[in-house]
Amino acid sequence: DGGITQSPKYLFRKEGQNVTLSCEQNLNHDAMYWYRQDPGQGLRLIYYSQIVNDFQKGDIAEGYSVSREKKESFPLTVTSAQKNPTAFYLCASSGLFNEQFFGPGTRLTVL
Amino acid sequence: GESVGLHLPTLSVQEGDNSIINCAYSNSASDYFIWYKQESGKGPQFIIDIRSNMDKRQGQRVTVLLNKTVKHLSLQIAATQPGDSAVYFCAENPGGSYIPTFGRGTSLIVHP
Repeated sequence: DGGITQSPKYLFRKEGQNVTLSCEQNLNHDAMYWYRQDPGQGLRLIYYSQIVNDFQKGDIAEGYSVSREKKESFPLTVTSAQKNPTAFYLCASSGLFNEQFFGPGTRLTVL
Repeated sequence: GESVGLHLPTLSVQEGDNSIINCAYSNSASDYFIWYKQESGKGPQFIIDIRSNMDKRQGQRVTVLLNKTVKHLSLQIAATQPGDSAVYFCAENPGGSYIPTFGRGTSLIVHP
């Protein structure tokens, strides 16, 4: 099966702790994205990567970091600098016509 | 920046009715549009797309209409079923950009 996987599905973070969200795709897509979704709001772009070893900040990058060492993987780290990290995080990759395919999401809660 | 918006945040229909969900976009450079369906607690699913050289595209029980004159996009769902209950949102892609803009979404509630 081709698709995007995210793990874990649920994640709890303590104050001052860094956590990393995993995103893997086997669609052979070059571009990958991280979005944050809050209740009643649209998707907000955190970071995106158009190619391996390259990534760009999105609209709300502060307090987050990413890496793109492999085409298939685009992990997101939520650092202690992110003051309000509780949200639903979505990873996506885009195909030939820039249509985005999303993973199942990770719900992060700060304890 | 420019944004995509939706007219109605919530739409309630009876099972079997046809549903119409609307979306206004403001970037005249957008040339590719997508509708997504997002069920509670899940990632968005691609439903249907349309390019700016088309006015209408049909899928299985869904039709997307594009009116470039007024920058309006709509999603029509025929014979709506309880399983169609979800949040639907549109996305626009400006030509040459990797970054789509997403609308807030409309919550569709289908009553049996």
